[in-house]
Amino acid sequence: DAEITQSPRHKITETGRQVTLACHQTWNHNNMFWYRQDLGHGLRLIHYSYGVHDTNKGEVSDGYSVSRSNTEDLPLTLESAASSQTSVYFCASKPGQGPYEQYFGPGTRLTVT
Amino acid sequence: SQQGEEDPQALSIQEGENATMNCSYKTSINNLQWYRQNSGRGLVHLILIRSNEREKHSGRLRVTLDTSKKSSSLLITASRAADTASYFCATVVTGANNLFFGTGTRLTVIP
Repeated sequence: DAEITQSPRHKITETGRQVTLACHQTWNHNNMFWYRQDLGHGLRLIHYSYGVHDTNKGEVSDGYSVSRSNTEDLPLTLESAASSQTSVYFCASKPGQGPYEQYFGPGTRLTVT
Repeated sequence: SQQGEEDPQALSIQEGENATMNCSYKTSINNLQWYRQNSGRGLVHLILIRSNEREKHSGRLRVTLDTSKKSSSLLITASRAADTASYFCATVVTGANNLFFGTGTRLTVIP
């Protein structure tokens, strides 16, 4: 069955370190998204991609970057982790730019100490 | 922010009762979607309603949309303990492709 996976599921890192969170989907969806979820804020969009080599900034993109070298993967990189980036991160995908539902991964809980 | 807001923030009901959650948003939308999130899990899509639709049903779920009031409601009928979760509305703003999420309603269904 097609799915969307994230790894690692839990990560503890130190302030200043570079961290990469992986997202892999097997639906062959063109659109992929990264969100962070914090208490009191719901989900906020970090970055998104409409296809290979396409990336765009979302609402809270400072300190994060993404790259899209193939359809299946959209890794999220924290260039220099900060305590404010402690959060739960969700990856999602959808087929295209129409009115489609998004399919979410299980999430990565990141703690920056 | 274009984020929607759900009301109430938390709701506790007995099994078998109906649960109603409301969502308000700020800008013109293309469609509005409702998602469920069980504790520690990812979000699962429940229903999508387009801006030209007023009501939609899916099993025990009923969603209404009032674009003049910029509001939507999600009704879960005959609730079950398994419906215990957080429920989020998310809007797709007119001319855009991305979802803007509300802060969610935490529903607890007591057996």
